[in-house]
Amino acid sequence: AQTIHQWPVAEIKAVGSPLSLGCTIKGKSSPNLYWYWQATGGTLQQLFYSITVGQVESVVQLNLSASRPKDDQFILSTEKLLLSHSGFYLCAWNWGGGEQYFGPGTRLTVL
Amino acid sequence: GDSVTQTEGLVTLTEGLPVMLNCTYQTIYSNPFLFWYVHYLNESPRLLLKSSTDNKRTEHQGFHATLHKSSSSFHLQKSSAQLSDSALYYCAPNSAGNKLTFGIGTRVLVRP
Repeated sequence: AQTIHQWPVAEIKAVGSPLSLGCTIKGKSSPNLYWYWQATGGTLQQLFYSITVGQVESVVQLNLSASRPKDDQFILSTEKLLLSHSGFYLCAWNWGGGEQYFGPGTRLTVL
Repeated sequence: GDSVTQTEGLVTLTEGLPVMLNCTYQTIYSNPFLFWYVHYLNESPRLLLKSSTDNKRTEHQGFHATLHKSSSSFHLQKSSAQLSDSALYYCAPNSAGNKLTFGIGTRVLVRP
C-alpha cells in the first residue's frame, strides 16, 4: 500500500526566514507529485506538480519554489517567508492521471 | 486551461433536508474526468465521487452525481443531509492528466 508522509506537521516561522517543507511517497514508483496551498478559510490552490525527478512545473508561484530531488520526494521551499505564506500545505500524488491522494498536510504560521 | 464554477460560499441547511451543490466546468478535452472531493476539518481532502461517463449516475456514501457533457455539469446531490456532511466540497475536472483544477469550494454546514 502507498503511504504519503509530510514534514513537519506544523511550523511557526518568522517573516523573512527560510522554509523547507517535505513530502515522501512510499510504495509507488514514479508518481506524479503535487503541492497545494490553502489559506486559512480559503480554498485549495495547486502550486506545483512534478511528473519525474528533477522536473517541476509551476502553476502558481506565490514566491515559493519546489524541487524533486528523488523519485519519492517533493520539497517546497522559499528563502524568505511572507506573512501571506501562512496556511495549510498539502502534498498529493497520483499515477497516470485521475484521482489524487493527499497527505496529512503541514500547517504553517508566519509571524 | 480548465475552469470550474461551483455553488459559492456557505450553504447552510437542516439535517434531513436534501443537498445540491452545483458544478459546471469548461475544458477543451472531450473526455474529462470529473471529481468531487470532500475536505473535513482537520483532515486531508479525499475523493467522494468521480466520473468520466456521460449521463451515468455515480454514487458513494449517500451522495450522487451525474456527468452531463451536454451542459458541462456535475452537480452533487444527497437526498438527506447528515450533521457529519458538514465540510468543504470541491468540484474538479481533470483533463490534462497532471493538473487538477479545483473549484472555489463550497462550505456546507448542516444544522440539527
